[in-house]
Amino acid sequence: NAGVTQTPKFQVLKTGQSMTLQCAQDMNHEYMSWYRQDPGMGLRLIHYSVGAGITDQGEVPNGYNVSRSTTEDFPLRLLSAAPSQTSVYFCASSERGPTDTQYFGPGTRLTVL
Amino acid sequence: AQTVTQSQPEMSVQEAETVTLSCTYDTSESDYYLFWYKQPPSRQMILVIRQEAYKQQNATENRFSVNFQKAAKSFSLKISDSQLGDAAMYFCAYRTYTGTASKLTFGTGTRLQVTL
Repeated sequence: NAGVTQTPKFQVLKTGQSMTLQCAQDMNHEYMSWYRQDPGMGLRLIHYSVGAGITDQGEVPNGYNVSRSTTEDFPLRLLSAAPSQTSVYFCASSERGPTDTQYFGPGTRLTVL
Repeated sequence: AQTVTQSQPEMSVQEAETVTLSCTYDTSESDYYLFWYKQPPSRQMILVIRQEAYKQQNATENRFSVNFQKAAKSFSLKISDSQLGDAAMYFCAYRTYTGTASKLTFGTGTRLQVTL
């Protein structure tokens, strides 16, 4: 039981490049979400999913895309990276919703030059 | 919109002593959840404690307890018998009660140092 895994742990991109941050959980959780963490800003929700095939926007969705084709996986796509997307990204999952105990992945530190 | 405020960017406590971290929030709702998360240097976010707004009794988890003042919209975390492993960033978070189409709103965090 690995919990929530994220890859890669570190990534450097050039402005305009695209990439996908991977997130997987092996706990059969329905609810998954992506946050970004910036200094002095706390964690802000990017996108979330309440189950396979269902996604919705959080508070800072612009520039990001998600899909949920399986219960286990919830990838986050950066369509055209910008320096403003330099951040630490966390994926989280919980059994049904955000009031359940949320399990966070170890994070991905992304730098956009 | 809900907001969560942590007014103490940094706190320090001696080992074995007690420390209280402050959190206030703003909401017009009557039913909601409040959480404290710990983020050690490993960056992994760990749930410390949760409180349902409809419960008057303050939540406790071993050395961690909260002082929930609903009317004042205050949700402080008390750590008793502090240990070196308690050193971390602590985040207060708020979540609305009903439905799945909602989210956690986080405060900006308090960095706790534990000294010998």
